[in-house]
Amino acid sequence: EDKVVQSPLSLVVHEGDTVTLNCSYEVTNFRSLLWYKQEKKAPTFLFMLTSSGIEKKSGRLSSILDKKELFSILNITATQTGDSAIYLCAVEGLGATNKLIFGTGTLLAVQP
Amino acid sequence: DAGVIQSPRHEVTEMGQEVTLRCKPISGHNSLFWYRQTMMRGLELLIYFNNNVPIDDSGMPEDRFSAKMPNASFSTLKIQPSEPRDSAVYFCASSPAKNRDRGYNEQFFGPGTRLTVL
Repeated sequence: EDKVVQSPLSLVVHEGDTVTLNCSYEVTNFRSLLWYKQEKKAPTFLFMLTSSGIEKKSGRLSSILDKKELFSILNITATQTGDSAIYLCAVEGLGATNKLIFGTGTLLAVQP
Repeated sequence: DAGVIQSPRHEVTEMGQEVTLRCKPISGHNSLFWYRQTMMRGLELLIYFNNNVPIDDSGMPEDRFSAKMPNASFSTLKIQPSEPRDSAVYFCASSPAKNRDRGYNEQFFGPGTRLTVL
């Protein structure tokens, strides 16, 4: 059965700290891994990763994929209170459809 | 573009009542997804449609749940009869056609419907 496991489940840090969120997966015929950020409402797209070892970066956020060890990490440097959210990891398998399997998420709280 | 539109935003009902959630996907998107999110189970895919056709409904909890997509711009998720354990946030998402080369698959989520069944 395809599954995505995220850790930690929750995390509390202070502004300025650096955090690393983890996502491991098992999926038949892996195609891509996606990270989403969910604040008060709907998840919003952050990154899509398809190749090992290539870092995707957007401002203070970056992510990398290891297809051999079947995991990805999301790093946030110099955290701000606005980074407080649930971070969701999802994987997609090969096929003609657009189905994603989501993890349960990591709840990040950044304190002033 | 208005994004994915869901209604109602909040629904409070009593056990045994029928609940209908509505979704309008982004125009031009050909895939539509219904998710349920709870603290315990996270974001679970219930059912999704490609070109208005249900592709995979294995995530639908039981026969009390049903979903339809009569046309490309509208979908409903119905729970009948509702139970307290159905309380959750229900999201609808849509995505454009899958790019066979890149596998591009960004899903755009609606604001969700918070359902409370008393």
